[in-house]
This record gives sequence, C-alpha cells and structure tokens, in this order.
Amino acid sequence: DTGVSQNPRHKITKRGQNVTFRCDPISEHNRLYWYRQTLGQGPEFLTYFQNEAQLEKSRLLSDRFSAERPKGSFSTLEIQRTEQGDSAMYLCASSLVHGTGRFSNQPQHFGDGTRLSIL
Amino acid sequence: KQEVTQIPAALSVPEGENLVLNCSFTDSAIYNLQWFRQDPGKGLTSLLLIQSSQREQTSGRLNASLDKSSGRSTLYIAASQPGDSATYLCATAGSGNTPLVFGKGTRLSVIA
Repeated sequence: DTGVSQNPRHKITKRGQNVTFRCDPISEHNRLYWYRQTLGQGPEFLTYFQNEAQLEKSRLLSDRFSAERPKGSFSTLEIQRTEQGDSAMYLCASSLVHGTGRFSNQPQHFGDGTRLSIL
Repeated sequence: KQEVTQIPAALSVPEGENLVLNCSFTDSAIYNLQWFRQDPGKGLTSLLLIQSSQREQTSGRLNASLDKSSGRSTLYIAASQPGDSATYLCATAGSGNTPLVFGKGTRLSVIA
C-alpha cells in the first residue's frame, strides 16, 4: 500500500493557461474522488469515479473543468483557461467499494494534494 | 443539503490536557462519519471512521463518539502532546460511501 499519489505537488501558472493534475489511487481501490480546498475551509467535493465511470459532478465543476479515469486506475483533472479563483489545493482520495449494490464502510484515503497558484 | 459545523475554530491547550472537539451536522441520515487530521500544506490523514450504527470508535489516545439523533460527534484526545498540533476535520458520508461533506475544521495547538 503506497498510498494515494498526486502530481505535481505545486503548480504556478498564469491566468488563462491550462493545467492538468494527476492522481494515482491505492491500487485496489475502485472509487476515486476529487476535492478542492481553499485556505481556512474544509475540502469541497468536485467529482468522483467508480472504476472508469464518472458518477457525479458537483456544481463547483464548471465547464472549464474536466476529469477522466480512462482505465479505472489513475485519474487526471484538467482546468482550462484558469482564473484567479481557481487557486486552491486540489485533493484526490480513493476508497474500496465491494460488490454490485453493496457498499463497504471503508474510509477515504487522501493524497497530499496539488497546490495551484494562479498569477 | 448536509451542512457540517465544527466548534471551536481554533483551540490552544497546554501539553497533557484532555480535550474535546465538536462536530455537528444537519442531516442525520448519514452512512458514516470520519475524523481527519491535516498538517499545514499536507493532505488529510484518516483518524477514525464511525459507522452510522455505531456509537463510538477508539484508536490509541483518540475516542470519537456519534449521536445521530442529535446530529453530533465529538473527538476526545487524551493527554495531548505537541505533536497533536494540526487541523482536525470531521466529514459525513451519505448512503453508499458517497462524497464527503466536510466542516471547516478546528485548528489545535498544543503548547509544550
């Protein structure tokens, strides 16, 4: 168990640029979540996948945001035409859900996040 | 829509004290409640998960309780140490281990 890995750890970019983050979940975990956290706040849900299927997207996820999990393993989160308000910590988490229609009460495990700064 | 509130926002205690962090939530139909620890600039570390059918969970010096009917959870830390200094977050999950709804956290400082 190597934990949830996120890359890069920090990203600084100019307003208007596109950025892409990567998340590698714990290997046997089939659920993958993206959250965003701003200073002094708790994380807020963005979107989540079960295997390669994107099951839910938050209203926070504007059309400039897109997430993929093409083979049900790693995931990418892309932000197009970045804005000042996109500056935040982007956190990825994974968990294991057992079986079809049965949900295990397992904790979500978080990575260390990618800190995005928009100049 | 679930709302999670944590009180106090910040807490400073001398080393060795026992302390309680509070978490309240508006929708009692939760699947589980998790307590996390977050160090500055880092991700979240899961401390305890309480299933909706449970009343408490313990891990070492930590004890978390859950009262679904009143929409409250507490995290009790015994014999606090400077290494316990961090932000503590609570979060609830709906049915099916759905995405977590977090409080804003309590920033704890334990003074040696």
